[in-house]
Amino acid sequence: EADIYQTPRYLVIGTGKKITLECSQTMGHDKMYWYQQDPGMELHLIHYSYGVNSTEKGDLSSESTVSRIRTEHFPLTLESARPSHTSQYLCASSPHMSSTNTLQETQYFGPGTRLLVL
Amino acid sequence: QKEVEQDPGPLSVPEGAIVSLNCTYSNSAFQYFMWYRQYSRKGPELLMYTYSSGNKEDGRFTAQVDKSSKYISLFIRDSQPSDSATYLCAMSGMEYGNKLVFGAGTILRVKS
Repeated sequence: EADIYQTPRYLVIGTGKKITLECSQTMGHDKMYWYQQDPGMELHLIHYSYGVNSTEKGDLSSESTVSRIRTEHFPLTLESARPSHTSQYLCASSPHMSSTNTLQETQYFGPGTRLLVL
Repeated sequence: QKEVEQDPGPLSVPEGAIVSLNCTYSNSAFQYFMWYRQYSRKGPELLMYTYSSGNKEDGRFTAQVDKSSKYISLFIRDSQPSDSATYLCAMSGMEYGNKLVFGAGTILRVKS
């Protein structure tokens, strides 16, 4: 089982509040990712990082921000939550692989945070 | 048009049945193909990984990739109630910077 943790698991919060979703991994992985998942829909990549001090926006436009100050930690922040942010947020990590014919994109997922914004 | 199409199901089968789950895709640049299993209220976990075309077997699971048809499959033999989950296909390639593109997932229910 992957050693990647997310807190909180569930969060109900009012509109306008600032929230931070935590993600930590103990595998020493360089790459980390945040996905948004809605029922019956694809996982959409919202942020990713290839290492400390590296952050990039993903394919899905998001009003959230991320930081990567430590290898093991990749928090996601919403400055002002809105009902449209209601979703499940999944964090993942993967190791750096240099060979082209190895399992270079095995992503290990955390259990997710279910967010409800009222 | 979505890059990866996956029948959402739900697919309901009796215990012991052979299950076939499928995805089609449009971009021939995909090189790596994966199947993830996601139980309710959990994160996805990697089941199978294949590189380019061919078959790969792991216990009751067989992953098949047909790049000429842009079609991948996951077969589950002797299905069990514990196989009830959502199955997500995912694919990647150098053109995508090795980021994953996911299907929407197929819900599988195995009845005992």
